[in-house]
Amino acid sequence: QQQVKQSPQSLIVQKGGISIINCAYENTAFDYFPWYQQFPGKGPALLIAIRPDVSEKKEGRFTISFNKSAKQFSLHIMDSQPGDSATYFCAASISRGAQKLVFGQGTRLTINP
Amino acid sequence: DAGVIQSPRHEVTEMGQEVTLRCKPISGHNSLFWYRQTMMRGLELLIYFNNNVPIDDSGMPEDRFSAKMPNASFSTLKIQPSEPRDSAVYFCASSLGRLAFATDTQYFGPGTRLTVL
Repeated sequence: QQQVKQSPQSLIVQKGGISIINCAYENTAFDYFPWYQQFPGKGPALLIAIRPDVSEKKEGRFTISFNKSAKQFSLHIMDSQPGDSATYFCAASISRGAQKLVFGQGTRLTINP
Repeated sequence: DAGVIQSPRHEVTEMGQEVTLRCKPISGHNSLFWYRQTMMRGLELLIYFNNNVPIDDSGMPEDRFSAKMPNASFSTLKIQPSEPRDSAVYFCASSLGRLAFATDTQYFGPGTRLTVL
């Protein structure tokens, strides 16, 4: 019940296209859902995060869509660029008290020029 | 700020040897996390500290692993004895650690790539 399932494992998108990565969770106590971006040889870095009181959050070309009833959330990257090529991790946590992030398995995104 | 600092960046050792990984969190951050990243298991939380006190070590794989945080600016993760299956990238992360705001962003270090032969 602590798992976060992420798909796909890898994704290739043409420059200018839309990249979509999906995550699903079981624990209804999760109420904070961040996405992290990791470049080769670097640690993950927070990209964007959402709380379940909203269904969508947008920051620049990056959008999180959240479906509370389906217990799913997704990351959309609009106008994907080669510089977006990285591994993306979704995560979930319970915001009160504990600070444990449960990460998905990661998606390796490649944007072809 | 220099960010989270980890050392060494790469470590190659032989099975049975002791390995010590080091981490300096961002100044002013009260929470520190140790993660392990492998292809098979992804990113796993091993242990986290708040105000230098271990809060949750349920992710520590076995007694060969130990972690300490003697002060607010330094933490170690020790593996003794090391085994080939411990080969992974180990990340340290820190956050403001305000327990009333458990969504404080975790800032990751660059990681230590450990290879146990």
